[in-house]
Amino acid sequence: GAGVSQSPSNKVTEKGKDVELRCDPISGHTALYWYRQSLGQGLEFLIYFQGNSAPDKSGLPSDRFSAERTGGSVSTLTIQRTQQEDSAVYLCASSHEDRNHSPLHFGNGTRLTVT
Amino acid sequence: AQSVSQHNHHVILSEAASLELGCNYSYGGTVNLFWYVQYPGQHLQLLLKYFSGDPLVKGIKGFEAEFIKSKFSFNLRKPSVQWSDTAEYFCAVIPLSGGYNKLIFGAGTRLAVHP
Repeated sequence: GAGVSQSPSNKVTEKGKDVELRCDPISGHTALYWYRQSLGQGLEFLIYFQGNSAPDKSGLPSDRFSAERTGGSVSTLTIQRTQQEDSAVYLCASSHEDRNHSPLHFGNGTRLTVT
Repeated sequence: AQSVSQHNHHVILSEAASLELGCNYSYGGTVNLFWYVQYPGQHLQLLLKYFSGDPLVKGIKGFEAEFIKSKFSFNLRKPSVQWSDTAEYFCAVIPLSGGYNKLIFGAGTRLAVHP
């Protein structure tokens, strides 16, 4: 079946512009994560959605970052007034609702470049 | 702060050498533990996981990891590496403290295997 789909795959934007990154998780997966992968920085947790619970936003680096998950499916990560340090690969992952944690299935990411 | 530490950021080995990548975490209580791998140009995928039971877990491609609770460690091993093992390896932890909890990654270890 289809995996986690992210769009766009690449995004180049000017400093100060807003960007929206989209994630389509695997159908039926209720857990959805956003991570940021920067060169030499590993995987930085951003936000976590689990079913109908309030999202865990503890990883969002600033109030310029926000995310929504509509209808328990598609998620959008929005970065307002982008800065050069926002340049990174933004990864989305999903898994089944499972206390023991089913493995995460990752998308291919969106490579964001802020010029 | 609670964290996941991978001590080696870059490892270079020759084929047939043995591999051990360190991972330590600082969460108390029960945890679920994972190793993910990202091959060049590919998305992250699960290598192996530990939830409970035998602390020595076997994963794909001949990898194994040992959970040592007293040392808060979950080191990844492979007796004889191959060129195709060149990838970035991420240790990850879910601290189980009631309810659903997010998956936290270490910074990653980049492994290069030379033929």
